[in-house]
Amino acid sequence: DQQVKQNSPSLSVQEGRISILNCDYTNSMFDYFLWYKKYPAEGPTFLISISSIKDKNEDGRFTVFLNKSAKHLSLHIVPSQPGDSAVYFCAANKGPFRGDFGNEKLTFGTGTRLTIIP
Amino acid sequence: DSGVTQTPKHLITATGQRVTLRCSPRSGDLSVYWYQQSLDQGLQFLIQYYNGEERAKGNILERFSAQQFPDLHSELNLSSLELGDSALYFCASSSPSGRGNSPLHFGNGTRLTVT
Repeated sequence: DQQVKQNSPSLSVQEGRISILNCDYTNSMFDYFLWYKKYPAEGPTFLISISSIKDKNEDGRFTVFLNKSAKHLSLHIVPSQPGDSAVYFCAANKGPFRGDFGNEKLTFGTGTRLTIIP
Repeated sequence: DSGVTQTPKHLITATGQRVTLRCSPRSGDLSVYWYQQSLDQGLQFLIQYYNGEERAKGNILERFSAQQFPDLHSELNLSSLELGDSALYFCASSSPSGRGNSPLHFGNGTRLTVT
């Protein structure tokens, strides 16, 4: 049962344009959402996160939007740069720990390979 | 550099064998997580340890086991290896404070090839 889904395995975007990566989830208990970026031969690197109490979080060129009613989040990269070419993973967990550390574990999507075309 | 160290980087072994993957978490992090990434798949959660104790278990096979030692490093043991166990194995660490969420920081993984 894939609780976090990234339905686009790949995406190509011109340099300087906006890249939009999408993610859907099915588990209504998910409360905290993250995006990770992964280059070949490296581990995933944390990019940006959002709590369910927000609908938008921005960090430089990266903005994550959350639509809880639709169980959908997206990552916007503006402007896209060649160094953004990587695999992007969406991930989620069940939020604040309240002493239950099992909630920390992340459930990942299958990733979207973003290619920025110079 | 995430601060999480995994060894070895590559491992090639035969079916039926046993291997040990090692992970040193970031300084100060108490939680260690193990994930498996098979070809073109997402990262599948295997198991989490917190300060030496098992905290959460995912889809970890009975042939696999893990532990976290007093110095907080962790080992993932894979036995009776099968061809399908070939994958990237990632370790991640975090330092939960109970005050909110902290992202997991990943090592560069161990690529296991079973022949």
